[in-house]
Amino acid sequence: AQSVTQLDSQVPVFEEAPVELRCNYSSSVSVYLFWYVQYPNQGLQLLLKYLSGSTLVKGINGFEAEFNKSQTSFHLRKPSVHISDTAEYFCAVSDRGSTLGRLYFGRGTQLTVWP
Amino acid sequence: NAGVTQTPKFQVLKTGQSMTLQCAQDMNHEYMSWYRQDPGMGLRLIHYSVGAGITDQGEVPNGYNVSRSTTEDFPLRLLSAAPSQTSVYFCASSYRDDTQYFGPGTRLTVL
Repeated sequence: AQSVTQLDSQVPVFEEAPVELRCNYSSSVSVYLFWYVQYPNQGLQLLLKYLSGSTLVKGINGFEAEFNKSQTSFHLRKPSVHISDTAEYFCAVSDRGSTLGRLYFGRGTQLTVWP
Repeated sequence: NAGVTQTPKFQVLKTGQSMTLQCAQDMNHEYMSWYRQDPGMGLRLIHYSVGAGITDQGEVPNGYNVSRSTTEDFPLRLLSAAPSQTSVYFCASSYRDDTQYFGPGTRLTVL
């Protein structure tokens, strides 16, 4: 079974500062990797995903993530955050080529951006 | 496309009552899933389906039933509600192992 660890449950930062949200996973098979964002009282929205190819993936709202296979990590970064980035962020993995369509989620990281 | 829709948005039940949370998608996705979200726990998979007529259990299936008679619909039934089922429930759909698209959620309180 897969497991996903988001190393920080809360990350407070000031506006315009850079941020990194960390995600590690464990898997015995190749995986697809995802970052989702959840704004207050809303559903989950896809930020970016890694399926194959370049290990640096760019997503919406200026976010990017880098897949590191040797370290089994998929950290999310943004060079300069805005107040509107305040939200909860979830890292998730699925088995590449799986016929089950299952996603395994981390517990989430609450990003709070202060003015 | 409406994407993934869920009804109701909010629901309050008394212990022992039953109810059905509705989920529908119009993207012709094979895969549909139900998750519950609790503070500090992330999203946990309740049940999932890989196609009409095929369902299976996820991590936390106890107290819930599902069926998938059509590609579009995937209702979640609470058989006898308990306070431990107070949570936010999300339905999602996808094409196989690719991106899952989530509904807006149902916030359920069991008294």
